[in-house]
Amino acid sequence: GAVVSQHPSWVICKSGTSVKIECRSLDFQATTMFWYRQFPKQSLMLMATSNEGSKATYEQGVEKDKFLINHASLTLSTLTVTSAHPEDSSFYICSASWRTNTEAFFGQGTRLTVV
Amino acid sequence: AQSVTQPDIHITVSEGASLELRCNYSYGATPYLFWYVQSPGQGLQLLLKYFSGDTLVQGIKGFEAEFKRSQSSFNLRKPSVHWSDAAEYFCAVGARNAGNNRKLIWGLGTSLAVNP
Repeated sequence: GAVVSQHPSWVICKSGTSVKIECRSLDFQATTMFWYRQFPKQSLMLMATSNEGSKATYEQGVEKDKFLINHASLTLSTLTVTSAHPEDSSFYICSASWRTNTEAFFGQGTRLTVV
Repeated sequence: AQSVTQPDIHITVSEGASLELRCNYSYGATPYLFWYVQSPGQGLQLLLKYFSGDTLVQGIKGFEAEFKRSQSSFNLRKPSVHWSDAAEYFCAVGARNAGNNRKLIWGLGTSLAVNP
């Protein structure tokens, strides 16, 4: 199957700083990328959907200014957690798909810990 | 409202035994249905999917699932479980968000433990 690479796998940052997470589709052009948040022992919560070259569509309750999403190319999307706080600590997962195909491929996830 | 229910939070089976993980969905149109597996430290992997056609779907690793429209179910099965199947299993239904983008609605997951 198609490969989606997420970087970094884990990151620890100080409260108040910003953290950027990258999501790359390695062998296909991802017209749509999805960003999820997963709490321990819970399901995935969709945060936003981004189409290449367009503004991301955020799910209800997700702060746009807090979680900045950029999808500038067909192979790269980034999620920036701005002014991180301990409650932002979580597992963040991206997935990517291409047009006309509803299957999405997932990255390995990023464990963010804010101290 | 669109939703996915996985009634069993945790299941334990013996190696070699058969397995069935339940999934029920609520969706107004014809659903796209998926089963994913998440192993510790690994990304989500697609086991199988149903878009249309034959309601019995074969997936990877010996898994299969059956779409039953009358019961709004898409249960995952495996005839003989291996110790390496211990993982978290998620059922999901494809939908559209406010921007008309495709998205997945997820169940809460079923944690599978396998006894030797």
